[in-house]
Amino acid sequence: GQQVMQIPQYQHVQEGEDFTTYCNSSTTLSNIQWYKQRPGGHPVFLIQLVKSGEVKKQKRLTFQFGEAKKNSSLHITATQTTDVGTYFCAGMTTDSWGKLQFGAGTQVVVTP
Amino acid sequence: NAGVTQTPKFQVLKTGQSMTLQCAQDMNHEYMSWYRQDPGMGLRLIHYSVGAGITDQGEVPNGYNVSRSTTEDFPLRLLSAAPSQTSVYFCASVQGMNNSPLHFGNGTRLTVT
Repeated sequence: GQQVMQIPQYQHVQEGEDFTTYCNSSTTLSNIQWYKQRPGGHPVFLIQLVKSGEVKKQKRLTFQFGEAKKNSSLHITATQTTDVGTYFCAGMTTDSWGKLQFGAGTQVVVTP
Repeated sequence: NAGVTQTPKFQVLKTGQSMTLQCAQDMNHEYMSWYRQDPGMGLRLIHYSVGAGITDQGEVPNGYNVSRSTTEDFPLRLLSAAPSQTSVYFCASVQGMNNSPLHFGNGTRLTVT
């Protein structure tokens, strides 16, 4: 069945540095979504990518969907303490409508 | 709008006890789902519903029952709790699954001893 893998599992970042988290699927995805979960909170939607090769930016966050629609990445520049949390990717295939599958998440810790 | 409301926030059960986790949304969303979150495993889909009267299984349905008698409510039932069901449970809803984000409730932290 469909599997969504996310790396790294943990990311320690110095404030001001950049980092990237990666998401890979074993099957082609119809779309991919990214969520952020603050410690003790619930996942909050960040963005959705639908088109092959799509790139979207939200301030210091850059999201990319691979050409084959099997992988995605989230790049954060000039990390701030407000970026602390766990970032999840979630994907769905055309033959698994309704079953949005989440990656295990990347837990980000920011050192001032 | 309250969004997605989950109750209770915390619950401790003994092995073999039963309980129902409540989930209600006031956004008239067609799709509702239950996830469990365990350390290092992300969010795993338990059951979902695409509308009133329709439910289906997700990745990890064993030990859980659901029903969807109204658009607003989607309760999750544990008939005989087991320690393996200790987890944080999230309910989520969305108007339609095509290109729409999930709205999550605040979660229920369940401990089974």
